[in-house]
Amino acid sequence: AQKITQTQPGMFVQEKEAVTLDCTYDTSDPSYGLFWYKQPSSGEMIFLIYQGSYDQQNATEGRYSLNFQKARKSANLVISASQLGDSAMYFCAMSAMDSSYKLIFGSGTRLLVRP
Amino acid sequence: DARVTQTPRHKVTEMGQEVTMRCQPILGHNTVFWYRQTMMQGLELLAYFRNRAPLDDSGMPKDRFSAEMPDATLATLKIQPSEPRDSAVYFCASGPGGVVFDTQYFGPGTRLTVL
Repeated sequence: AQKITQTQPGMFVQEKEAVTLDCTYDTSDPSYGLFWYKQPSSGEMIFLIYQGSYDQQNATEGRYSLNFQKARKSANLVISASQLGDSAMYFCAMSAMDSSYKLIFGSGTRLLVRP
Repeated sequence: DARVTQTPRHKVTEMGQEVTMRCQPILGHNTVFWYRQTMMQGLELLAYFRNRAPLDDSGMPKDRFSAEMPDATLATLKIQPSEPRDSAVYFCASGPGGVVFDTQYFGPGTRLTVL
């Protein structure tokens, strides 16, 4: 069965610094997709970035990058130059054939950016 | 800017009442998902549809919950009768389909409180 683990319930980062949010996953499926979502206090779920298991390059989207280490089964989100608006919950999620392509979410990490 | 819309945004009802939540997926998307988010359980998939056909509703309590897509622009989630343990935020998400690992775009959610 698939599992997503986010071991950091909460983190602080200073404005303008970079921060890494950890995510490890477990699946026996060789083909899978990894996603990160942001949930600000308003409650909406915002898609940030996607990484496919066969992608050769780490995914990047603006200030977001995904540090994908397949052998370690980790998919950490890196946010560069943190902004106050980055304060939110961040969820890592995975989709694979052995779960019928459903998105399985981790428990989330709450990030607080300090001015 | 295409978005998933959900109505109502907030709903307070009494135990035993019927609750209907509606979702309009992004035009052209052919996958629709219903999730429930609680503090204790996190994000749980309740049901999902592809091309309006239900593919998986294994996460949904069958005795009181039902999900339908009467047409491509409307998905509904109904609870009858509602119970206090159903209090949660219910999200609808849609995806373009056509790819194995479908990025899901979430609506703003319906916050349900059952007294």
